[in-house]
This record gives sequence, structure tokens and C-alpha cells, in this order.
Amino acid sequence: DSGVTQTPKHLITATGQRVTLRCSPRSGDLSVYWYQQSLDQGLQFLIQYYNGEERAKGNILERFSAQQFPDLHSELNLSSLELGDSALYFCASSGPGTRSYEQYFGPGTRLTVT
Amino acid sequence: DQQVKQNSPSLSVQEGRISILNCDYTNSMFDYFLWYKKYPAEGPTFLISISSIKDKNEDGRFTVFLNKSAKHLSLHIVPSQPGDSAVYFCAASGASGGSYIPTFGRGTSLIVHP
Repeated sequence: DSGVTQTPKHLITATGQRVTLRCSPRSGDLSVYWYQQSLDQGLQFLIQYYNGEERAKGNILERFSAQQFPDLHSELNLSSLELGDSALYFCASSGPGTRSYEQYFGPGTRLTVT
Repeated sequence: DQQVKQNSPSLSVQEGRISILNCDYTNSMFDYFLWYKKYPAEGPTFLISISSIKDKNEDGRFTVFLNKSAKHLSLHIVPSQPGDSAVYFCAASGASGGSYIPTFGRGTSLIVHP
């Protein structure tokens, strides 16, 4: 158990809909990262938050947004969903400081868009 | 373009033998390298890492070798055990706006046969 929790585990929704994925980092970790893993793809970095502030952005679509709240949990919002958004979405956290190479991953949320 | 490549999607090894997983990278700014292990229905788990100032790091049965001139690293597992059967992701990290977000390869699925 990494200490990172993600809800829900599974999500099935229709094209055009909007969903919210939730992540709670390990106790004491200030950084939260979101990744997308599509079929046969590696982990694609989406976005990082550090202590409530956006720190780095990766290949995140404009239809996607995220935020980190004062209690450090984070939410990833996916809107106008398309079939190609079906993937595993992982949240990870790392310790204080930005040079945190080693990340602790949650179990992921499997999103299926039909 | 993939900056971190794991060219073998799968590897099959007999229990007790050595498993060698390979990874190549293209970005010479990477200075920290990591291996993660992922079981089905779980998030990736950090396994071992190496800084670019070293060429070898060992942790029990796991050893990572780094060849900077070839931009190549490998993970050796000796002896391999059935419980090592998982997907192994190679990741590389370097200064990018001070955030050191790792770039992941697509993974190699290791199967260790009893």
C-alpha cells in the first residue's frame, strides 16, 4: 500500500460527459502528479501540483483540468469525453521539495468512455 | 518522439535465472534514472534508481547499470522469482523548470516461469 488513494476505482460513462477523479496523496507529501496510461502506452504525464499551485504541465488536453485543495487532495476533471479518453488514470505523490524523483502511485482509476 | 524506449515489450525467464531488462534514452539532460514495477490492478511501485554520477546501483537481487555514453541502462534481477512477474517501467528524470518530472518508457512485461 503506497499510501496514495484514488477514487473511484472504475468509471464508465458516455461520450460528451464530464467526470471527476479524486486523489489523496501520502501523508506529508506536497506534490501530486497525474498520469494517463492508454492501452500499450507508457505513463503519460499530465500535470503536477505542489502545495496547491500548478508546478508543471505535460500532455494535458484543454478539456482536462486539475486542482489541488488546501488539504492537499487533488481532483482531475475530464470534460467533453471522447472514446479515446478511455484509459487508466494514475495519481502519484512525492515528498517535500520539487526535486522529488521518486513518486508513490495510487492504484489508478480505470475510465471507460462508451 | 519517445525519449525513453523499452524495445522489448515482453521477456520470459526461468525461475532462478537472471532477468535483464533494457532501456535506452535519447535526452542527454536526463541525470536520474528509475525503475518501477507494476502488478495488474495496482499502481507502479518504485523499485530502484541510479544517479548519472554512478554506473551501478545494487539493492538485494536488483542491480541497475548505467552506460551514459551509450545512453543505456539495464535492470538485472538475480535470481529471478515467480513473484517478480510484472510490468517493469524505466523512467528518466532531468531538470525541467526545476520539477524533475520523470519520463516513462512503455514497459516490459516480465514472466518468470517456475
